[in-house]
Amino acid sequence: DVKVTQSSRYLVKRTGEKVFLECVQDMDHENMFWYRQDPGLGLRLIYFSYDVKMKEKGDIPEGYSVSREKKERFSLILESASTNQTSMYLCASSYPGLGGSEQYFGPGTRLTVT
Amino acid sequence: AQTVTQSQPEMSVQEAETVTLSCTYDTSESDYYLFWYKQPPSRQMILVIRQEAYKQQNATENRFSVNFQKAAKSFSLKISDSQLGDAAMYFCAYRSTNNDMRFGAGTRLTVKP
Repeated sequence: DVKVTQSSRYLVKRTGEKVFLECVQDMDHENMFWYRQDPGLGLRLIYFSYDVKMKEKGDIPEGYSVSREKKERFSLILESASTNQTSMYLCASSYPGLGGSEQYFGPGTRLTVT
Repeated sequence: AQTVTQSQPEMSVQEAETVTLSCTYDTSESDYYLFWYKQPPSRQMILVIRQEAYKQQNATENRFSVNFQKAAKSFSLKISDSQLGDAAMYFCAYRSTNNDMRFGAGTRLTVKP
């Protein structure tokens, strides 16, 4: 079974702190994604990566950056956390190529910024 | 950009009965993929069913089936013989051939015993 893990299920940070969210997948997937999930808005794509050291902006990249130094690991960085970044963050991975390949999701990190 | 609309924020169904969750999307593409994902409370999101737009036959997975109406840009999910374990948030998603993926806002399904 594909396994996508995220470093924390719950995280509480203060405004202005630098926050790292880690995601690891064990299926050698090329594609990895970071979403945020908010009630009534569904999932919105923050960043994605098709390969090591590659990154592409999604729909809402402002205030975030990412790092992918190894194929299995994709990190989301909040350079200076703000209260409007309080949300559920979901990581996903998938095989490349065909658009029909499903995305496998991690359990999510619920981040609260106070 | 493509948009996905789930017009039912919440739905409820009696155990053993059938429920249909609605999804519409907007696109100018002819080739794409559609998905329904399930997110149980405090658990990981998992794929329920997928449909390729070029296939006219509706996808089915056990108790889950879709009604794909390409001309109407509609992709509803039917859950038959509902079980307590079906209670979850359900997300409809659209994926273009360039891997751009869009999710709806979700429908929270409650199953009553």
